[in-house]
Amino acid sequence: GAGVSQTPSNKVTEKGKYVELRCDPISGHTALYWYRQSLGQGPEFLIYFQGTGAADDSGLPNDRFFAVRPEGSVSTLKIQRTERGDSAVYLCASSPSGLTNTGELFFGEGSRLTVL
Amino acid sequence: GDSVTQMEGPVTLSEEAFLTINCTYTATGYPSLFWYVQYPGEGLQLLLKATKADDKGSNKGFEATYRKETTSFHLEKGSVQVSDSAVYFCALSFFSASKIIFGSGTRLSIRP
Repeated sequence: GAGVSQTPSNKVTEKGKYVELRCDPISGHTALYWYRQSLGQGPEFLIYFQGTGAADDSGLPNDRFFAVRPEGSVSTLKIQRTERGDSAVYLCASSPSGLTNTGELFFGEGSRLTVL
Repeated sequence: GDSVTQMEGPVTLSEEAFLTINCTYTATGYPSLFWYVQYPGEGLQLLLKATKADDKGSNKGFEATYRKETTSFHLEKGSVQVSDSAVYFCALSFFSASKIIFGSGTRLSIRP
């Protein structure tokens, strides 16, 4: 499809395990964002890529969280030594050139992570 | 820091009722303001936006006016439909910044 695609849609893991979440943005979009949405809360910013580089990673909560976008398209969010507090829906969004354009982000449906 | 506060839900209305969802913001400077909507089983999508004071954003019968004096951006619709049932998020951004800041969301349910 033409929208932002996220996989897996659901992931259940055990405390301490490693998890990877994938995002495939809209073709041609240079800007890519990761957000985290906890139950009953709004999306919380994690990291923003412009092309291959992380332009702003100020929202990553600690060094267990890392994200890459090696070819400027698909991005992977990596979480090491998962904790129960990491349970949330992880949202990916893309935009043609970042918020300096229309201000509009195009979101995927999210990856729901549950840490037991 | 910059933040958005919106009324807590859930909000339940009958079809054709008038809708208001309150949103206020705190920001240094003059941000752009947005309403995003999340329909069941779908990703968030932009509903409407306003980029400067007194601007009115509108889409699908929804409206919101950027009020600098009250730092508000309330969402309104004159006659809601069952298909409007969704979660609505108020948000702000500065175009020089790298992120949108979201409120906590308001769940809206419309009874037939």
